[in-house]
Amino acid sequence: DQQVKQNSPSLSVQEGRISILNCDYTNSMFDYFLWYKKYPAEGPTFLISISSIKDKNEDGRFTVFLNKSAKHLSLHIVPSQPGDSAVYFCAVWSGNLIFGKGTKLSVKP
Amino acid sequence: DVKVTQSSRYLVKRTGEKVFLECVQDMDHENMFWYRQDPGLGLRLIYFSYDVKMKEKGDIPEGYSVSREKKERFSLILESASTNQTSMYLCASNVAGGAPSTGELFFGEGSRLTVL
Repeated sequence: DQQVKQNSPSLSVQEGRISILNCDYTNSMFDYFLWYKKYPAEGPTFLISISSIKDKNEDGRFTVFLNKSAKHLSLHIVPSQPGDSAVYFCAVWSGNLIFGKGTKLSVKP
Repeated sequence: DVKVTQSSRYLVKRTGEKVFLECVQDMDHENMFWYRQDPGLGLRLIYFSYDVKMKEKGDIPEGYSVSREKKERFSLILESASTNQTSMYLCASNVAGGAPSTGELFFGEGSRLTVL
């Protein structure tokens, strides 16, 4: 059974607007969450992370929110840019990284 | 600059062939990982290694083996390639105890394997 779920395979957003990517997890013991970004024909790159002791972490245009009671996290990109078009993977650390299936974000000019 | 290098970006092999995928990192990382990425399935861990000559099975080790003879090199071996092993293979590394303190796995650019 999937421990990390990204229920939206794709998302399309207009340039300048907010992109919200969602992720749900099943195990309340998970305590460290990460987002990776992947362009076609390249390896994933680390984007941002959050520990369970926080509910928000911000890095420039990227903010990750964690709702522990709902076992849900989200990545907000504001403002979205065409260069943000990529596949975004949510991951949790549990001795090694467990990835979700990814959400393909398309930012249209 | 940190670097994880995968020897082949694109390979085409025939069913039953033995396939070697090589990965080298220059960051003196203890941990190394092999994932495969498939559309709709995300990244799935095949094997990982936390030290020379050590290996651990990931979520989908069947049909694969690995070798870690030197700290900087981690090889993925398909003893007898099958069509369902057509995929993008990604190598990654990090320091011992790296995540969650750094939150980062460093990935190579990937090796796209097609098995005919």
